[in-house]
Amino acid sequence: DAGVTQSPTHLIKTRGQHVTLRCSPISGHKSVSWYQQVLGQGPQFIFQYYEKEERGRGNFPDRFSARQFPNYSSELNVNALLLGDSALYLCASRPDKNTEAFFGQGTRLTVV
Amino acid sequence: GQNIDQPTEMTATEGAIVQINCTYQTSGFNGLFWYQQHAGEAPTFLSYNVLDGLEEKGRFSSFLSRSKGYSYLLLKELQMKDSASYLCAVRDPGTGANNLFFGTGTRLTVIP
Repeated sequence: DAGVTQSPTHLIKTRGQHVTLRCSPISGHKSVSWYQQVLGQGPQFIFQYYEKEERGRGNFPDRFSARQFPNYSSELNVNALLLGDSALYLCASRPDKNTEAFFGQGTRLTVV
Repeated sequence: GQNIDQPTEMTATEGAIVQINCTYQTSGFNGLFWYQQHAGEAPTFLSYNVLDGLEEKGRFSSFLSRSKGYSYLLLKELQMKDSASYLCAVRDPGTGANNLFFGTGTRLTVIP
């Protein structure tokens, strides 16, 4: 079975640009969460979507947005990129809201 | 709010036993997770504790004391491949979605 897949794996953007990261959950999983992991830190929760609705939001600015599609895949959008947005962005899926999360390999975003 | 403390780094010898401690404060406890993360890779689920006591799974065991806000991960018969970061996380009811609040992780180095 395919795990959580994310694209792209690596990305370099310039400060002020916009970026879209994509995630496909494990087949049958309806919940998708996004996390930001800065080097040397643990992952920090950004958003959760369940059944295409936003079910949770972490402490991130409005420059960060996300959505979930009818096939349960998801996109994370970040506008007006800052140097501090450089991080590993992880997507995690779960079959429902209260089970363990399975993480994708992540997208390494570098803002220069 | 949530807070998790775990040691930043640990070193142990191949074949030995190592215990990684985690203390937490949370506004509403609903389970504690341990994840393993090799450098540049996704976190992978190791264990979940919601009741007090020890959960054993092969070479890995996890213990929880809710009254003390304390957990540990015990790794036996250490192998070189166990060199990784070990992340302690609790469910975060504050986000409205029971997503995970992670500690900064403990980087374990296994030496011959």
